Amino acid sequence: AQKVTQAQTEISVVEKEDVTLDCVYETRDTTYYLFWYKQPPSGELVFLIRRNSFDEQNEISGRYSWNFQKSTSSFNFTITASQVVDSAVYFCALLKTGANNLFFGTGTRLTVIP
Amino acid sequence: KAGVTQTPRYLIKTRGQQVTLSCSPISGHRSVSWYQQTPGQGLQFLFEYFSETQRNKGNFPGRFSGRQFSNSRSEMNVSTLELGDSALYLCASSLPSGGAYEQYFGPGTRLTVT
Repeated sequence: AQKVTQAQTEISVVEKEDVTLDCVYETRDTTYYLFWYKQPPSGELVFLIRRNSFDEQNEISGRYSWNFQKSTSSFNFTITASQVVDSAVYFCALLKTGANNLFFGTGTRLTVIP
Repeated sequence: KAGVTQTPRYLIKTRGQQVTLSCSPISGHRSVSWYQQTPGQGLQFLFEYFSETQRNKGNFPGRFSGRQFSNSRSEMNVSTLELGDSALYLCASSLPSGGAYEQYFGPGTRLTVT
């Protein structure tokens, strides 16, 4: 069975602070994919990153960075120098190979205070 | 390149009625997935269509059904609506099914059942 846990329900930070969103997953599959999506108030899920289970390299994209650690089944997301526009709900998701259904965590609501 | 479009954006129905939601994927995308988002259950996978065939199905009652047309557009239908069907219904499209590709989401249809 697949499961994604985002223990942080809500986080508030002051603008320019760094913030890390945690994601822990469970799967028995050896090959799988992990995703992060952002959901702003408009409701649309915006794709941020995809990582496959064989690629444990950390990734940085501008102010965003991701830390994938297979040993702890975690795929954490860090926003550096947060901005008000980063305020949204962030979802971590797991997808098993051969299927196309994402298993989502419950999401973390991030509020960046100006 | 146009994104995923969903119509209508908002819908109000009465218990017992049925509803049809529409999704047009990104041009060239052949896989369409549907998700239901509620405050209580979060984001849950409904079903996926690829080449006009349902490939995967989530754990929803038979009142939820869907189809895909030859141009990859998809519709989902909910019959005998219940109050608990009130939700944001999100459609996502991706390249061929198999997990290797990210899913791009539409803005959603917000269904309210009274």
